Amino acid sequence: QKEVEQDPGPLSVPEGAIVSLNCTYSNSAFQYFMWYRQYSRKGPELLMYTYSSGNKEDGRFTAQVDKSSKYISLFIRDSQPSDSATYLCAMSGRANNLFFGTGTRLTVIP
Amino acid sequence: DGGITQSPKYLFRKEGQNVTLSCEQNLNHDAMYWYRQDPGQGLRLIYYSQIVNDFQKGDIAEGYSVSREKKESFPLTVTSAQKNPTAFYLCASSIRASGGTFANTGELFFGEGSRLTVL
Repeated sequence: QKEVEQDPGPLSVPEGAIVSLNCTYSNSAFQYFMWYRQYSRKGPELLMYTYSSGNKEDGRFTAQVDKSSKYISLFIRDSQPSDSATYLCAMSGRANNLFFGTGTRLTVIP
Repeated sequence: DGGITQSPKYLFRKEGQNVTLSCEQNLNHDAMYWYRQDPGQGLRLIYYSQIVNDFQKGDIAEGYSVSREKKESFPLTVTSAQKNPTAFYLCASSIRASGGTFANTGELFFGEGSRLTVL
């Protein structure tokens, strides 16, 4: 079983839609949860960071962590064409390594 | 501007050749990393370095080598022993927190990547 599972998509939505991206994981030691955004042919950039369980909101983006279900989500409200990218979840415990999901490719259609 | 610079952006290699990918950062970060990204797979860690003159193998180090002679630089050599080297290679850096773990944000700063194709 992979440490982190993420639906690769691709996912296409119309502009203005609410997008839900999800990852599941198996290691209960994970405490730090991140979402990275990667535009085509570029390196990933950190979008959201959450420690332990709970929600975090930043503008149109909301990250949720449910440690009891080992499930994390990223919601994008009022999606824009500029949100079209691959979204990678990542998580770590206390060790010096991040475990990445495979990424979900999102296209927002104008 | 502070950041990470990878070069070359695109590289073609014949089988049996070694190639070296450059990674330079001016963020004054202690820790640097090399990841490999393949379609349908998450980023996989090749090597990482927490401090100058020290580096550790990641999950897929076979066929790769690195050096860390300067804080700013962490070049990756893809050797002829790497059986399937065609991939997108990403270099990253982070602030090293005490104990060798990531800083509280767990944030990695990535370069723009180098795409290696073996002919």
